[in-house]
Amino acid sequence: AQSVTQLDSHVSVSEGTPVLLRCNYSSSYSPSLFWYVQHPNKGLQLLLKYTSAATLVKGINGFEAEFKKSETSFHLTKPSAHMSDAAEYFCVAYSGAGSYQLTFGKGTKLSVIP
Amino acid sequence: EAGVAQSPRYKIIEKRQSVAFWCNPISGHATLYWYQQILGQGPKLLIQFQNNGVVDDSQLPKDRFSAERLKGVDSTLKIQPAKLEDSAVYLCASSYGLGANSGNTIYFGEGSWLTVV
Repeated sequence: AQSVTQLDSHVSVSEGTPVLLRCNYSSSYSPSLFWYVQHPNKGLQLLLKYTSAATLVKGINGFEAEFKKSETSFHLTKPSAHMSDAAEYFCVAYSGAGSYQLTFGKGTKLSVIP
Repeated sequence: EAGVAQSPRYKIIEKRQSVAFWCNPISGHATLYWYQQILGQGPKLLIQFQNNGVVDDSQLPKDRFSAERLKGVDSTLKIQPAKLEDSAVYLCASSYGLGANSGNTIYFGEGSWLTVV
């Protein structure tokens, strides 16, 4: 069984300051990990994915995430927040062991203050 | 490249009525998924198809939900009769292959928003 925990349900940052969205996972197998973003009334868009290659993964719009096996974490960061980053972010795990299901965290809502 | 298309985008129905949602995946994608996203939660897989066959429907409430993908392309998700707790966003997604390994990205549509009153 696997699970994903997003440690903050809501994060608020000022425009131009760094963003940190925290995610921990639990899996019996080495998972693939993803971050998806969902803007209001829009579908989910893939930001980046980790699939057992480089542990530091770069995604779209300046986001990146680092896979830390020892900490079972996959935190999402961005050096400088932009107003357009305001959205809901989901950390997602996939193990491929016995099931093709994606396991979603509950989401973190990012607010960006002008 | 056209994305995953869903319709209708919004639907309001009374409890015990029926509703159907349609999804057209990205061209060439063999795998199609239906997810349910309740407000404040992450999406939950309802059913997964590979071509026109069901791969996983373990979390589909089969007493009221049904889905089909008869020709292995577009798909319909039906709810009958609807309950208040079915109010959610129904997301359709597609991918070229099974799973979410390195070479297979899952793409989501914009969702169909259902309100049951």
